Amino acid sequence: DQQVKQNSPSLSVQEGRISILNCDYTNSMFDYFLWYKKYPAEGPTFLISISSIKDKNEDGRFTVFLNKSAKHLSLHIVPSQPGDSAVYFCAAKGKGSARQLTFGSGTQLTVLP
Amino acid sequence: DAGVIQSPRHEVTEMGQEVTLRCKPISGHDYLFWYRQTMMRGLELLIYFNNNVPIDDSGMPEDRFSAKMPNASFSTLKIQPSEPRDSAVYFCASSLLLRGELFFGEGSRLTVL
Repeated sequence: DQQVKQNSPSLSVQEGRISILNCDYTNSMFDYFLWYKKYPAEGPTFLISISSIKDKNEDGRFTVFLNKSAKHLSLHIVPSQPGDSAVYFCAAKGKGSARQLTFGSGTQLTVLP
Repeated sequence: DAGVIQSPRHEVTEMGQEVTLRCKPISGHDYLFWYRQTMMRGLELLIYFNNNVPIDDSGMPEDRFSAKMPNASFSTLKIQPSEPRDSAVYFCASSLLLRGELFFGEGSRLTVL
C-alpha cells in the first residue's frame, strides 16, 4: 500500500516554462516532506523540503506547496532548464518517527531545449 | 567534504553467491539507511541504524539479507545466497539527528545472473 504516490511517471516541459510535479499522500501522520532529484547513475540529492506547519517554501527557482486538507504537495520549477531533467522523488516523514522516509515512485522530468 | 561512499559501484554475480555491499556514511551523521531501488517498487527502505544500532529492519525482504554497522564509519549489507530477483540498485544514506534530509551515496548496482 503506497503511502506516497506520484501518479505521473513522466513529464515533458519546454525550456523556460514552468514544471509542476505532483505528489499525494495518505498518511495524516506525515509532518515533513521533501523533494529529491536523481540523475542517472547517481544517488538522489536533496532539493527542498517543507514542514507540515507551512504551506509554501521557496528556494530560488524551486517552490514546494503543501495542501494538507487535500494531502497533496507539488514542486514548481520556474523557469525550467535542460539541466533540471532528472527523476524527482517526493518523500515524507512520519510524526514522532525517526529519520525514515517514505518515497514516492518518482517522476521523470524532461526539459526540452 | 566527502559524501556517503559506497562500494562496489557495480557487481555482477551468479545466483547462489554471497554479495557484500559496503557503505561509509558522512562523518558525524548518526543515522544510516539502506534503500533498494527497483523498477517495480521504486525506492524502498530495507533497514536503518541509529548510533550503530539497528532500529527497524522490517523492510529486509528475507533472511538472506543481513546488515551490520560495526562502527560509526562503516556498514555492510550482505545477501547470501543471492537470487536474480535481488538485482537492483542499493543505496546507502546517512543523516544527522533532528534533520530530515538524507544524503545518499551513488549506489551499488547489483546484477545476479
